Amino acid sequence: EPEVTQTPSHQVTQMGQEVILRCVPISNHLYFYWYRQILGQKVEFLVSFYNNEISEKSEIFDDQFSVERPDGSNFTLKIRSTKLEDSAMYFCATKGEGGTEAFFGQGTRLTVV
Amino acid sequence: KQEVTQIPAALSVPEGENLVLNCSFTDSAIYNLQWFRQDPGKGLTSLLLIQSSQREQTSGRLNASLDKSSGRSTLYIAASQPGDSATYLCAVSRISSGSARQLTFGSGTQLTVLP
Repeated sequence: EPEVTQTPSHQVTQMGQEVILRCVPISNHLYFYWYRQILGQKVEFLVSFYNNEISEKSEIFDDQFSVERPDGSNFTLKIRSTKLEDSAMYFCATKGEGGTEAFFGQGTRLTVV
Repeated sequence: KQEVTQIPAALSVPEGENLVLNCSFTDSAIYNLQWFRQDPGKGLTSLLLIQSSQREQTSGRLNASLDKSSGRSTLYIAASQPGDSATYLCAVSRISSGSARQLTFGSGTQLTVLP
């Protein structure tokens, strides 16, 4: 069964450092999303990406965040200067054209120290 | 702004019992509703998706219903097993001019099935 793959599974970084979280979507899926879940809190939407551009973003997704598809397959989330409060599980999700069901990766646990 | 609430926050039942998890949402203009399972420290596994035009969906021992007008959904688990122990999340996507339709999540129900 096709699946969304995220790397790394766990990343520890120092405050102020840049991190890049990677996602390999399900083949032929065209909608890509990033969500995050701070420990003990709800899963929150960050950004959606379609046709090589951001289609929607939440208020969480400020100038410190960016997304791109650098090689037409991977989908990345970059945090330029990490803060302690960026510590969370980050989930990538993808959806096919005309599809309604979102498929989630296993997540990247980001710990900022 | 859409708000999704799940009750109860935690539930503990003996093995073999049938149970119902509840989800409510404030804005009935939804596109669809998805139920997910999340094991501790793990990702989200999609269990069932109900389109806004549907009333229920079934998969094995799971049955999800949707009453869009009242803003409610239930997930029914029959003959519960210890392996069903996990957090169950409800999420809705809204009708919008764009097609991305991101999900709004509830805080989940943590289910423990005792052997």
